[in-house]
Amino acid sequence: GDSVTQMEGPVTLSEEAFLTINCTYTATGYPSLFWYVQYPGEGLQLLLKATKADDKGSNKGFEATYRKETTSFHLEKGSVQVSDSAVYFCALRGGSYIPTFGRGTSLIVHP
Amino acid sequence: ETGVTQTPRHLVMGMTNKKSLKCEQHLGHNAMYWYKQSAKKPLELMFVYNFKEQTENNSVPSRFSPECPNSSHLFLHLHTLQPEDSALYLCASSQMEVVNTEAFFGQGTRLTVV
Repeated sequence: GDSVTQMEGPVTLSEEAFLTINCTYTATGYPSLFWYVQYPGEGLQLLLKATKADDKGSNKGFEATYRKETTSFHLEKGSVQVSDSAVYFCALRGGSYIPTFGRGTSLIVHP
Repeated sequence: ETGVTQTPRHLVMGMTNKKSLKCEQHLGHNAMYWYKQSAKKPLELMFVYNFKEQTENNSVPSRFSPECPNSSHLFLHLHTLQPEDSALYLCASSQMEVVNTEAFFGQGTRLTVV
C-alpha cells in the first residue's frame, strides 16, 4: 500500500538558517504530493502541493519538488523564522484516494 | 461559514460518560474522515465516509461510533472511553475522486478522559 516516510524530529534551527525536511514515498501510479503544517493547538493546513513529476510547489518561502526518480518530495526554506516553528507533515493521495500522511516532523526555530 | 468546523474545541469527560464530537464542512466535498492524533504518535486514520457510506474502519474500538447523516456532517459518538483515548481528534474532508486536491482539516477537538 501507499506510505510516506519523513525524517524524525525535532529539527532545531536558529533564525535565518536553511531548512530541509526529507520525505520519500511509496505508491502505485502517479500520486499527488502535499506538505501540510500544523501550528500548536490547530488542525493541519495545506502548505504546498505538486501533482506531477518535476512540478515544484511553493508557498510562504517554502518549496518542494516532485522527484519521481527518487520518489522524494523534500521541503526546503532558505531562511526560517521563529514563526515557522510547527509540525510539518508530508502526504500523498494516490489510487486509494485516501490521504496518506507521514509521522510529522517538529521544527523549532530559536531567535 | 466556510471550511471545516469542529465542535467542541475542548472536551473533558469521565470514563462512564457519553459525548459526541461534531464536524461540519461547507466545501461541497463528498468524503469525510476522522483522525486521532496522540502525543509522540503518527496521525491515525479512524474512519472514512464516502457519500455518507462508511468505507474504512481501521480496527477502531466499538466505544467510538461514527455517524454521517449527510455529506456535510460527521459525528463521533463516544462512550465508556479509557484514559489512553485522550488525544486531539481531527476531522477532514476532501473530494474523494480528485486526487490532486488536498484534504481540509478542522481545528480539532482536544479530548481528555479522566
